[in-house]
Amino acid sequence: GEDVEQSLFLSVREGDSSVINCTYTDSSSTYLYWYKQEPGAGLQLLTYIFSNMDMKQDQRLTVLLNKKDKHLSLRIADTQTGDSAIYFCAEKSNYQLIWGAGTKLIIKP
Amino acid sequence: DTGVSQNPRHKITKRGQNVTFRCDPISEHNRLYWYRQTLGQGPEFLTYFQNEAQLEKSRLLSDRFSAERPKGSFSTLEIQRTEQGDSAMYLCASSLLHPGTSGGARETQYFGPGTRLLVL
Repeated sequence: GEDVEQSLFLSVREGDSSVINCTYTDSSSTYLYWYKQEPGAGLQLLTYIFSNMDMKQDQRLTVLLNKKDKHLSLRIADTQTGDSAIYFCAEKSNYQLIWGAGTKLIIKP
Repeated sequence: DTGVSQNPRHKITKRGQNVTFRCDPISEHNRLYWYRQTLGQGPEFLTYFQNEAQLEKSRLLSDRFSAERPKGSFSTLEIQRTEQGDSAMYLCASSLLHPGTSGGARETQYFGPGTRLLVL
C-alpha cells in the first residue's frame, strides 16, 4: 500500500538549518512535493522534485531524493521565525497526492 | 488570478443537517480536487474532477457525500445528514493537466484556504 511518513516535530534555533525528512513507499511515484501550512492558512506549494532527479535547489530550500531508500528531505537554510509552520511531503501516485501527517517546525530564538 | 477560493470559510451545523460548500478554482484549470483534513493529519483525498466529469471517488466518501462540477468551473461538495465525525477542514485544490499527458505528468495542485466544518 501507499504510505508517507514524517516526524511530527522538529525544533531548531533561528539561523540554523532545518532538515525535514520523509519516507514514502510507492516506487512508481513520479513527482514528490513539499507543501507548507501556516496556522489558519491553506497549503502552499514550496517545491517539488521529479523522481529522476536527486537534488533540487531553490533559494534557501534544498530537496534531496534518495530513490533507492525512498527517502526525501527538505533543507531550509538560515531558518527564520517566518518559517514556523507544518511541512507536508506528498507523493504523486497516478491521479492523486498521498500525504504525510506533517512535521511541525518550531523555531527557538 | 486570485487563486482558489472556498466558501464559506467556517460552518457550524447541528447533527443531521445538510451542508454545502463551494470551491472556485483557478480559471483555466481543468482538474479540481476535494480533500478532508483533520487535526494532526495530512489531507485525505475525497474525489476529483477533470472538467465536469467526476473521475474518482475515495472509499472514504460515504453516500452522504456528493460533489458536482456542472460546468467544469466551480464545484460544490454537499454532506447530507451530517455526523460529528464529519467535523474537519474541507480543502479544494485545482490544477492544469495538459491534454494527452499521462497520470505521471507533472501536475501542481494549488489549494484554497479551506472550509472548516464543525458538527455539534
